[in-house]
Amino acid sequence: GENVEQHPSTLSVQEGDSAVIKCTYSDSASNYFPWYKQELGKRPQLIIDIRSNVGEKKDQRIAVTLNKTAKHFSLHITETQPEDSAVYFCAATSTGGFKTIFGAGTRLFVKA
Amino acid sequence: SAVISQKPSRDICQRGTSLTIQCQVDSQVTMMFWYRQQPGQSLTLIATANQGSEATYESGFVIDKFPISRPNLTFSTLTVSNMSPEDSSIYLCSARAHEGPATEAFFGQGTRLTVV
Repeated sequence: GENVEQHPSTLSVQEGDSAVIKCTYSDSASNYFPWYKQELGKRPQLIIDIRSNVGEKKDQRIAVTLNKTAKHFSLHITETQPEDSAVYFCAATSTGGFKTIFGAGTRLFVKA
Repeated sequence: SAVISQKPSRDICQRGTSLTIQCQVDSQVTMMFWYRQQPGQSLTLIATANQGSEATYESGFVIDKFPISRPNLTFSTLTVSNMSPEDSSIYLCSARAHEGPATEAFFGQGTRLTVV
């Protein structure tokens, strides 16, 4: 089955700096890669996603890149703000199983 | 988008008892899933709830412990049976609104279960 590895587990940055979170997946059949943000006590919320036919996608301060050959994908947050502090999860969804498997999560701290 | 409501939002239960969690979606959805999230941890998929047939369980999860029902396209239940303190966790319902795998999955607000 699919396995998603995510690192770092914790990331602390200064406000205004960039943050990068990296993930790898194992199932070559995976074709959809969402990123979720989860604030304390809240449900996970989608912040950006990318499909396997695209190498990069950007939405304001957030961008995601995908390298299908290497089975790597990354989240980039620029000009970080204190409200970006949360846990971020990468995930992979495969065509065959239709299910989403999550990485271990990255706890991001943005210091004002 | 799909709006998912779960209840109860939290419960404290005695060991050896069972709790049924309900998940209601505001629109018909193709796929529904149940996840477990232990404190400070990631989301672990328990099973896919199949409409009109038995759920598909992930490795480490069995039907006797986590029976699931899905009588229609908008509703599912997860029962945590014969609970022990190790079952204390947040249980999340998830749904995918559209046909095909490459779409966003939405989540309910979760059920925080404490077993004493």
